[in-house]
Amino acid sequence: AQSVTQLDSHVSVSEGTPVLLRCNYSSSYSPSLFWYVQHPNKGLQLLLKYTSAATLVKGINGFEAEFKKSETSFHLTKPSAHMSDAAEYFCVVSDENTGGFKTIFGAGTRLFVKA
Amino acid sequence: KAGVTQTPRYLIKTRGQQVTLSCSPISGHRSVSWYQQTPGQGLQFLFEYFSETQRNKGNFPGRFSGRQFSNSRSEMNVSTLELGDSALYLCASSPPTSGRAETQYFGPGTRLLVL
Repeated sequence: AQSVTQLDSHVSVSEGTPVLLRCNYSSSYSPSLFWYVQHPNKGLQLLLKYTSAATLVKGINGFEAEFKKSETSFHLTKPSAHMSDAAEYFCVVSDENTGGFKTIFGAGTRLFVKA
Repeated sequence: KAGVTQTPRYLIKTRGQQVTLSCSPISGHRSVSWYQQTPGQGLQFLFEYFSETQRNKGNFPGRFSGRQFSNSRSEMNVSTLELGDSALYLCASSPPTSGRAETQYFGPGTRLLVL
């Protein structure tokens, strides 16, 4: 069965410092993994996705994530936080199921960026 | 291309009523998924439609139903509304898949308040 665990409900960083948002997943198959971001009162936007190609995935706005099968992790990182990065981030796993895809969202990590 | 559109954006209903929400996917997208987002439960998968057929379903009671039309537009219906149905309902569409889960493009959501 699928599951996604985002290890931190809140992360607070100072502007200019690195960001690490942690995600562990469980899947019976070879999953596709995504990170989405949701800014206040805005829709969900894709940051990046892993679909079995390179294990280090680069996304928008300087974010990247590394797929580690042995650790069942897909942590999101950014070298230097910007104030505009303050938002809620969701780790997502999607598996093929009955001809379609079943998608599970993590509980979300709210990122705070201090000036 | 126009994005995913959802109507209405806001809705207030009373307990026991029913409600229908509408979603128009991005042109060319045939897969439409619905999610419920609440502060307590986060983002939960409701169901996925493809070519007018429900392919996957989440763990929601039968009061929640949906359908998809031949033009890929989708509706979801909630009957006998309960206070706990108050939530942001998100619709997402996906392009044709190459065998792996594709990116989902989210609409702005319909915010439903049940009084």
